[in-house]
Amino acid sequence: GAGVSQSPRYKVAKRGQDVALRCDPISGHVSLFWYQQALGQGPEFLTYFQNEAQLDKSGLPSDRFFAERPEGSVSTLKIQRTQQEDSAVYLCASSLMTGVETQYFGPGTRLLVL
Amino acid sequence: LAKTTQPISMDSYEGQEVNITCSHNNIATNDYITWYQQFPSQGPRFIIQGYKTKVTNEVASLFIPADRKSSTLSLPRVSLSDTAVYYCLVGSPGKGKLIFGQGTELSVKP
Repeated sequence: GAGVSQSPRYKVAKRGQDVALRCDPISGHVSLFWYQQALGQGPEFLTYFQNEAQLDKSGLPSDRFFAERPEGSVSTLKIQRTQQEDSAVYLCASSLMTGVETQYFGPGTRLLVL
Repeated sequence: LAKTTQPISMDSYEGQEVNITCSHNNIATNDYITWYQQFPSQGPRFIIQGYKTKVTNEVASLFIPADRKSSTLSLPRVSLSDTAVYYCLVGSPGKGKLIFGQGTELSVKP
């Protein structure tokens, strides 16, 4: 079946612009996660949804970052007033439920802020 | 959450067995050990998970000693396509989020 998809795959933004990154999880997956991966580093957790409820947003680096999943499927990560330090790959993952089950990752969106 | 330590990089040749060891001295009783693989321009991919002793699947084996303070990912007969970054993660059920370290960059040469 289809895996996790993300769009756009690449995004170039001027400093100060707002961006929106989309994640389509695997159909039926309850849990959805966003991670940020800087060059040469492992992914870092940003936020987590169970259905439409955002249960953990402890990893969001500032109030410029906002995520939503209004109908419990597609999710959008929005970054307002982008800064150069926001340049990274943003990964989305989904899993059937919380716990030890596998998280399935999308290919990521590479964001470059100039 | 338990911190993990693994080598930054490893080199190997095609056909060899590769063993990547991860230290997790502060692993908690409820923690599982999970390994992910990541190719360039792709998201991480689950390889294997275990709690104790040995786990084997079609891709790899995972060896966990009795004290569970370390674990070893074993890749049999690697090929060029196994060149990737391998992450060791430790976490407990229900926590959801994954905590990645820096990973081990494995380079397989002809």
